[in-house]
Amino acid sequence: AQKITQTQPGMFVQEKEAVTLDCTYDTSDQSYGLFWYKQPSSGEMIFLIYQGSYDEQNATEGRYSLNFQKARKSANLVISASQLGDSAMYFCAMREDQAGTALIFGKGTTLSVSS
Amino acid sequence: SQTIHQWPATLVQPVGSPLSLECTVEGTSNPNLYWYRQAAGRGLQLLFYSVGIGQISSEVPQNLSASRPQDRQFILSSKKLLLSDSGFYLCAWSPYGAGTQETQYFGPGTRLLVL
Repeated sequence: AQKITQTQPGMFVQEKEAVTLDCTYDTSDQSYGLFWYKQPSSGEMIFLIYQGSYDEQNATEGRYSLNFQKARKSANLVISASQLGDSAMYFCAMREDQAGTALIFGKGTTLSVSS
Repeated sequence: SQTIHQWPATLVQPVGSPLSLECTVEGTSNPNLYWYRQAAGRGLQLLFYSVGIGQISSEVPQNLSASRPQDRQFILSSKKLLLSDSGFYLCAWSPYGAGTQETQYFGPGTRLLVL
């Protein structure tokens, strides 16, 4: 079974609107971390936001927030007030405590922002 | 602040030729270092990681190898490239010992095309 599932191959949003990118995960660990990365066309992976499994509050970083629903094993990324520069590939990733340093990535979602 | 460098940025190599990709990190000591490969339109696959000089862990069997001759230098090599080695190679670093909240920071990547 896939550890990280991103079911939306592509998403389209207009400037200034909010968009949610879905991510579900599968783990039996109690301690784990969830990450979102942005990959623009240049290829570099840019860290956006982190959520720990024991964090009670949803993580926020500027226009990015992570909607963490532990019981449903989902960690959706919410981008508020989309900008043209948000057009990129977005990856959800997880590190399980028992897996050491390995970071497991989903297959990504392509976000296109139009004016 | 910490920075991570990779070179070359782009490489075109014939099948059967050797390969050497280099990654260096500045501004930190004793980082964890990682090599990932990304096939076109897909997620990242962890190839190797290192928690210290001379300490290399391999995640997948292949004709690639990695070495860490210095604390902040990570090298990906091959004696004979295969067509299937084509892809986007990303180096990443993370602070040592941060557990599940350890964030990985990526370099700009190397695009390798094997012909």
